[in-house]
Amino acid sequence: EDQVTQSPEALRLQEGESSSLNCSYTVSGLRGLFWYRQDPGKGPEFLFTLYSAGEEKEKERLKATLTKKESFLHITAPKPEDSATYLCARGTSYGKLTFGQGTILTVHP
Amino acid sequence: SAVISQKPSRDICQRGTSLTIQCQVDSQVTMMFWYRQQPGQSLTLIATANQGSEATYESGFVIDKFPISRPNLTFSTLTVSNMSPEDSSIYLCSVSVADTDTQYFGPGTRLTVL
Repeated sequence: EDQVTQSPEALRLQEGESSSLNCSYTVSGLRGLFWYRQDPGKGPEFLFTLYSAGEEKEKERLKATLTKKESFLHITAPKPEDSATYLCARGTSYGKLTFGQGTILTVHP
Repeated sequence: SAVISQKPSRDICQRGTSLTIQCQVDSQVTMMFWYRQQPGQSLTLIATANQGSEATYESGFVIDKFPISRPNLTFSTLTVSNMSPEDSSIYLCSVSVADTDTQYFGPGTRLTVL
């Protein structure tokens, strides 16, 4: 069964306080690990795709990494505009995505 | 990436009625999908919209409740039939382009059923 588990459910940071979000997933049949950002009332915005253990991708203050069973989204020196829900999803055959429950990130000025 | 629009952006409907949601993409895409996001929840795949053939539904979703059309490579519709308050959700379409696995999402349709 496809499973994606994200932690923590919610994270409150002060501006500039770096941290990481975790995503663990079932490995069998994995075809990509995806990170999205979702703002209230909007559709998810694509951030990263990772395929291989050891792979890393960066975009501004965000860096996504992948191990054999987990992925991390590192946020360096966050700003209030980084506040959003961050979703992790595993890809399977036929292009399907199974999403985790998300981490609600709030960054206080 | 692709630019995706959905209509309507939101609607309030009465129990027992049906609503058709449209998804339009600005370029031809390989795959189109429909998701549901219930209040406070994450996204759940409803079905894959197949061009020129019947949609492929996920466990727990049936064609009679969620009929889907995809007449060409840039357009799809999802109908929510015989609605009940439990159908109140955000409905999202997504697309993947060319040979990539990445999905891009539309802005969503917020449906409230009274």
